[in-house]
Amino acid sequence: DQQVKQNSPSLSVQEGRISILNCDYTNSMFDYFLWYKKYPAEGPTFLISISSIKDKNEDGRFTVFLNKSAKHLSLHIVPSQPGDSAVYFCAARLQNTGNQFYFGTGTSLTVIP
Amino acid sequence: GAVVSQHPSWVICKSGTSVKIECRSLDFQATTMFWYRQFPKQSLMLMATSNEGSKATYEQGVEKDKFLINHASLTLSTLTVTSAHPEDSSFYICSAKYRYGYTFGSGTRLTVV
Repeated sequence: DQQVKQNSPSLSVQEGRISILNCDYTNSMFDYFLWYKKYPAEGPTFLISISSIKDKNEDGRFTVFLNKSAKHLSLHIVPSQPGDSAVYFCAARLQNTGNQFYFGTGTSLTVIP
Repeated sequence: GAVVSQHPSWVICKSGTSVKIECRSLDFQATTMFWYRQFPKQSLMLMATSNEGSKATYEQGVEKDKFLINHASLTLSTLTVTSAHPEDSSFYICSAKYRYGYTFGSGTRLTVV
């Protein structure tokens, strides 16, 4: 049962424009969310996180938005750069389970120069 | 900072043999290490959580006698796949919590022939 879903397997964006990556989840008991990026042949790299008590967190070009009522998470990258081309995963932690995270299947972002 | 070194990155073994995967935290102390596996086109699934000096906690459906986890020091956790079978072929990756979030090893691609 896929509790965290990334319905867009791929996304292409022009350099300088905004990239929006989306993530939906089904379990209302998730209390902490993460976004990761992964280059081929490398491990995931932590990008940004957000607690369920917030609806927005910003770090440089990366902003994560959380809409709890819609059970929806999004990552905005502005402006997009060719080096941002990678696979992006969202992950959600189940409340009161320590650190059990559920990961989406990823969205491959291509930023076109 | 917060680097986890995972080895080997790729291993092929014969059915019935055992394979050990190591994850070392290079510049921080990882009191807790998480082990995930990923099947093709699926998300990362948590296998077990290991705490330094104590027994690992396994997720439902994960055979603890098959996937031996040792976390004997604050910088080293190992996963041993015992009596490997072709169905154990997968991508295994470790993760550790550090001050600012979570960091991942680079993953191990295990192929059992």
